[in-house]
Amino acid sequence: DQQVKQNSPSLSVQEGRISILNCDYTNSMFDYFLWYKKYPAEGPTFLISISSIKDKNEDGRFTVFLNKSAKHLSLHIVPSQPGDSAVYFCAATAGGTSYGKLTFGQGTILTVHP
Amino acid sequence: DGGITQSPKYLFRKEGQNVTLSCEQNLNHDAMYWYRQDPGQGLRLIYYSQIVNDFQKGDIAEGYSVSREKKESFPLTVTSAQKNPTAFYLCASSILSSYNSPLHFGNGTRLTVT
Repeated sequence: DQQVKQNSPSLSVQEGRISILNCDYTNSMFDYFLWYKKYPAEGPTFLISISSIKDKNEDGRFTVFLNKSAKHLSLHIVPSQPGDSAVYFCAATAGGTSYGKLTFGQGTILTVHP
Repeated sequence: DGGITQSPKYLFRKEGQNVTLSCEQNLNHDAMYWYRQDPGQGLRLIYYSQIVNDFQKGDIAEGYSVSREKKESFPLTVTSAQKNPTAFYLCASSILSSYNSPLHFGNGTRLTVT
């Protein structure tokens, strides 16, 4: 039972353009969502997060949008840079004492071409 | 520099042998976690610990064991009962009670069992 899904295994974008990575979830108990970035042979690093009481959170070039009714979140990267090329995982948690018990999507490989 | 150290980076074992993966953190985090990553899949939670001398099973705990004798250390043993042990193993830690403290990951150990 895949509670967090990233349906696009890969995305290719030109430098300077917008990258949009999508994520869907099924568990209505999830109330906190995170995006992680991962380079090969390294651990994931935290990128940005959003609480279910918000619908948007912005940090520099990165913006996360949450649509609770559709159980959908997206990560926008503007402008995209070659250094953004990595695997991006979305993750969700039910919070409270479950915080840290993250459920991850399968990941999307982003390639930004110069 | 504060962080999480996983060792070794690569580990090879013969089928039927138990093997222990090391994880040490100097972030003074209360909680520690073990995740497993397989190709094309998201990270899946094996075990987690929120306090010394206590730990809980995650989603895929069968064939694994852990201990938490010290706050800084959370070793994972992959036993011969684990049917598909070859994978990339990631250790993480976090402050327990804050939404603003995401998981910090180590750089992982790639285990190959033949």
